[in-house]
Amino acid sequence: SQQGEEDPQALSIQEGENATMNCSYKTSINNLQWYRQNSGRGLVHLILIRSNEREKHSGRLRVTLDTSKKSSSLLITASRAADTASYFCATARISSGSARQLTFGSGTQLTVLP
Amino acid sequence: GAGVSQTPSNKVTEKGKYVELRCDPISGHTALYWYRQSLGQGPEFLIYFQGTGAADDSGLPNDRFFAVRPEGSVSTLKIQRTERGDSAVYLCASSSQGLGYTFGSGTRLTVV
Repeated sequence: SQQGEEDPQALSIQEGENATMNCSYKTSINNLQWYRQNSGRGLVHLILIRSNEREKHSGRLRVTLDTSKKSSSLLITASRAADTASYFCATARISSGSARQLTFGSGTQLTVLP
Repeated sequence: GAGVSQTPSNKVTEKGKYVELRCDPISGHTALYWYRQSLGQGPEFLIYFQGTGAADDSGLPNDRFFAVRPEGSVSTLKIQRTERGDSAVYLCASSSQGLGYTFGSGTRLTVV
């Protein structure tokens, strides 16, 4: 089963604009991660934010986490056509035995138009 | 190796046949994971190995699915009596600290 839900399911923007994707989840988490996937094959790890962190930056990426609302957002600034991909959030739960198991959302398909 | 390697990249099999999917993780990564991804969905957890043992196999859908990692490195996902509903991309990932995963490119399994 999938814990996370990404919003929107699809997003289309012009090159240079910012893209914001949101993720909601259901259970208490140890950390939340964002991944990118091109063409339905291997996923690439983008960024990890721990449950005691509220915001994290990596290059053009900014991630926020609100554990009280069980939600996270991924902001990609100054988007490029090469950012076109599917983006997934994934949560690592706290419960013993599953702290290393990631539960993925259903993804946001981002299209950046040149 | 430099990344996680999965073979074959594509597999077409007839309903009822047995298939094996192989994953070669990053050298030194003790944790290895198998996920399954259907079209338009996020990956779904199947099984997690820590070393040679399956630490969590709660995601395996039924007893037709089995995975091994006998020497704590390469892993094989085995599916018996394949069904059309097993068609999906099977993804393998490894990690060293249980944090960010490194995924392979996946095996696209098609059961006809």
